Amino acid sequence: AQTVTQSQPEMSVQEAETVTLSCTYDTSESDYYLFWYKQPPSRQMILVIRQEAYKQQNATENRFSVNFQKAAKSFSLKISDSQLGDAAMYFCAYRSANTGNQFYFGTGTSLTVIP
Amino acid sequence: DTGVSQDPRHKITKRGQNVTFRCDPISEHNRLYWYRQTLGQGPEFLTYFQNEAQLEKSRLLSDRFSAERPKGSFSTLEIQRTEQGDSAMYLCASSLTGLNEQFFGPGTRLTVL
Repeated sequence: AQTVTQSQPEMSVQEAETVTLSCTYDTSESDYYLFWYKQPPSRQMILVIRQEAYKQQNATENRFSVNFQKAAKSFSLKISDSQLGDAAMYFCAYRSANTGNQFYFGTGTSLTVIP
Repeated sequence: DTGVSQDPRHKITKRGQNVTFRCDPISEHNRLYWYRQTLGQGPEFLTYFQNEAQLEKSRLLSDRFSAERPKGSFSTLEIQRTEQGDSAMYLCASSLTGLNEQFFGPGTRLTVL
């Protein structure tokens, strides 16, 4: 099974600053999708950003961008101009494009935004 | 609100009792997933339905767990003879064929005493 590793259990950032959350994954497949999900306290998970492995260009969604390094199997999330509402658990997830439909999630990074 | 809904949001039960959770996906979504999330962990896949057919089951889904989606709309997850190790958040997600994104519900938090 694919494994997703988030090596930073907790991170903090000053409001308006930039923070990068790390994610690595292990797979032998060449075609897959990667995701960052946000889970605010006591609220449901929502998709922040996704990346198709066949695309070389890094995905961007407003203040959120990724650094996708396919050879290194690395998928980091950069949050620019951090806001108090960004405080949440962030989960990196992997899904194969060809085999199965399940998502594989990392253990999460808890992000604190300091006013 | 037309998102994924789950009921109940919280359930406290005694060890050995049976519990059933319900998930209502986004109405046009044909795919439905169940995950379990324990404290400090990411969601772990339990099972997946496409319409009413259960197509994938994790090895985590012991014979005490059963899931159904009888009409291809809502789904139920039943845990028989609950154990303390079953205490977790049970998440439901739905998706549509061709979409890569899953939409998650708020979860049902189960506490087994």
